[in-house]
Amino acid sequence: IAGITQAPTSQILAAGRRMTLRCTQDMRHNAMYWYRQDLGLGLRLIHYSNTAGTTGKGEVPDGYSVSRANTDDFPLTLASAVPSQTSVYFCASSLHEKVTDTQYFGPGTRLTVL
Amino acid sequence: GQNIDQPTEMTATEGAIVQINCTYQTSGFNGLFWYQQHAGEAPTFLSYNVLDGLEEKGRFSSFLSRSKGYSYLLLKELQMKDSASYLCAVMDSNYQLIWGAGTKLIIKP
Repeated sequence: IAGITQAPTSQILAAGRRMTLRCTQDMRHNAMYWYRQDLGLGLRLIHYSNTAGTTGKGEVPDGYSVSRANTDDFPLTLASAVPSQTSVYFCASSLHEKVTDTQYFGPGTRLTVL
Repeated sequence: GQNIDQPTEMTATEGAIVQINCTYQTSGFNGLFWYQQHAGEAPTFLSYNVLDGLEEKGRFSSFLSRSKGYSYLLLKELQMKDSASYLCAVMDSNYQLIWGAGTKLIIKP
């Protein structure tokens, strides 16, 4: 693989269920990010990780958790999904952390919570 | 608060030139990015400005005025494949990107 992959591509989920969105990059980038994109709004940062073993909260972290056990993987978990979490979720990465650097995006996961 | 403003939608004709404006108010400034996003796809990087002035890259150019909190993306010789949303984003003092809602550009033959 080259770049960033996300799985699943799309998912319909019942409210209250637990769900993990997967993100893997093979570019050896240090920093990774999770965004959600909703119609009429800009991308909003959920959580980020500057390096393996560290994570931080973004603008809209409530209801979501992340882990960064290694450089390549950055899963996003919804512990108990709610309809307001219906969105398109993008994972992104950048080579460096805490400096101005281009972010590269995965193809996204379209999640519907009913 | 932090705010990025750009027009919601613009229409232009194939072969013409279009300018997409972006104004911003952020806590700190560490550069401004433009991304292109086709419907149903991921955003892809177009350009980056950190100093005032114009950056040219083929048919696309981006301009920045830090004192005015203003940028624009200029697209020349428009092609049908340029129909997409264009996202303006500013890197703030914490090195986090603050995103505008995007400008949907419609190209007509």
